[in-house]
Amino acid sequence: SQQGEEDPQALSIQEGENATMNCSYKTSINNLQWYRQNSGRGLVHLILIRSNEREKHSGRLRVTLDTSKKSSSLLITASRAADTASYFCATVGMDSSYKLIFGSGTRLLVRP
Amino acid sequence: EAQVTQNPRYLITVTGKKLTVTCSQNMNHEYMSWYRQDPGLGLRQIYYSMNVEVTDKGDVPEGYKVSRKEKRNFPLILESPSPNQTSLYFCASSLIFNSYEQYFGPGTRLTVT
Repeated sequence: SQQGEEDPQALSIQEGENATMNCSYKTSINNLQWYRQNSGRGLVHLILIRSNEREKHSGRLRVTLDTSKKSSSLLITASRAADTASYFCATVGMDSSYKLIFGSGTRLLVRP
Repeated sequence: EAQVTQNPRYLITVTGKKLTVTCSQNMNHEYMSWYRQDPGLGLRQIYYSMNVEVTDKGDVPEGYKVSRKEKRNFPLILESPSPNQTSLYFCASSLIFNSYEQYFGPGTRLTVT
């Protein structure tokens, strides 16, 4: 079952612009993670934000979490062509299941 | 180098021919998991393991088996593959489950004809 739904499904921007991706989820979470996937390759972890955190930064990445709205956003600032990839949010629930549930992903294209 | 390895990377097989996809991690991680990725459906968890000899079903376990006899290895077994198991498979591991990111293998592209 998919927990996270991402918006938009696809995003095309010019190099240097900022890219914002949103993730909504359904149940209470322990933490939310963002991953990047280059075409057909393994996923790479970007950032983890816990349910008691509201914002986190890592380099050009900024993640926010609003547990009241059950949503998160990933902002990539000053995008580069190398940021072209699919981005997924994934949630760890507060229940006792040991599952990481992924959203459907956002395909980001950064045009040089 | 810390990594998760999978073999084979590509496999074409026929319906009903048993196969095993191996997964190994060298980070002494307790938690390991298998996912399949299909267009439009994202990643779905097949099975996971909290530690040696402890495994449990994910969201799409039908048609798959796993075992965890050693901490580093977590093979995925398809006893009788069918065409609907054609997919891209990923193995992942993490130190423990909660609060730690998962490290993913490079993927195994399986085609069942």
